Amino acid sequence: DAKTTQPNSMESNEEEPVHLPCNHSTISGTDYIHWYRQLPSQGPEYVIHGLTSNVNNRMASLAIAEDRKSSTLILHRATLRDAAVYYCILRDGNSGGSNYKLTFGKGTLLTVNP
Amino acid sequence: DTAVSQTPKYLVTQMGNDKSIKCEQNLGHDTMYWYKQDSKKFLKIMFSYNNKELIINETVPNRFSPKSPDKAHLNLHINSLELGDSAVYFCASSQVLGTLNQETQYFGPGTRLLVL
Repeated sequence: DAKTTQPNSMESNEEEPVHLPCNHSTISGTDYIHWYRQLPSQGPEYVIHGLTSNVNNRMASLAIAEDRKSSTLILHRATLRDAAVYYCILRDGNSGGSNYKLTFGKGTLLTVNP
Repeated sequence: DTAVSQTPKYLVTQMGNDKSIKCEQNLGHDTMYWYKQDSKKFLKIMFSYNNKELIINETVPNRFSPKSPDKAHLNLHINSLELGDSAVYFCASSQVLGTLNQETQYFGPGTRLLVL
């Protein structure tokens, strides 16, 4: 999977929006952008994914740059429960067996202040 | 209902012992995984199974042997445990409905293994 770059940590206040950036300058045309998060002492959980257009779901929004070299995960109103490590992951367009995996980077540790 | 469950949640054992971790998913998925998260919090794939067949083995020592008795279960057996095996082990499952690059994985709560 292509490499992604995220800030090590970010801080937010409760009930304020949070914009978590991810750079993926070497993304290929068929790579999907996925976001997962890992709450303390829990397994990772899927948040959202997209290819070119912005995406919304009940958890978050994903804004994808026009050149697809970066994306931003948007939490519209952060809650204390959103404090987690957020991972931006690219999924290869190649459907080969070797791609049956998620390649996690270091992610961004989001702290939410009350 | 728990979608992906693992037992035990905690496992403390001595070096040299053999132990197993069990994973079950009730989502009807055909692909299951084992990931390892070390003390530095890096998450890495260990194995992937699709329809009970091994498709990924990421240079994991032979002491680790996954076993998939059916599509809903993927167990991990570890022989001759070493100090460096101490980590959190996560099981996951998925169902590829379209293309693999749109696949979503569902993770279990993890098994915290401590080797003394």
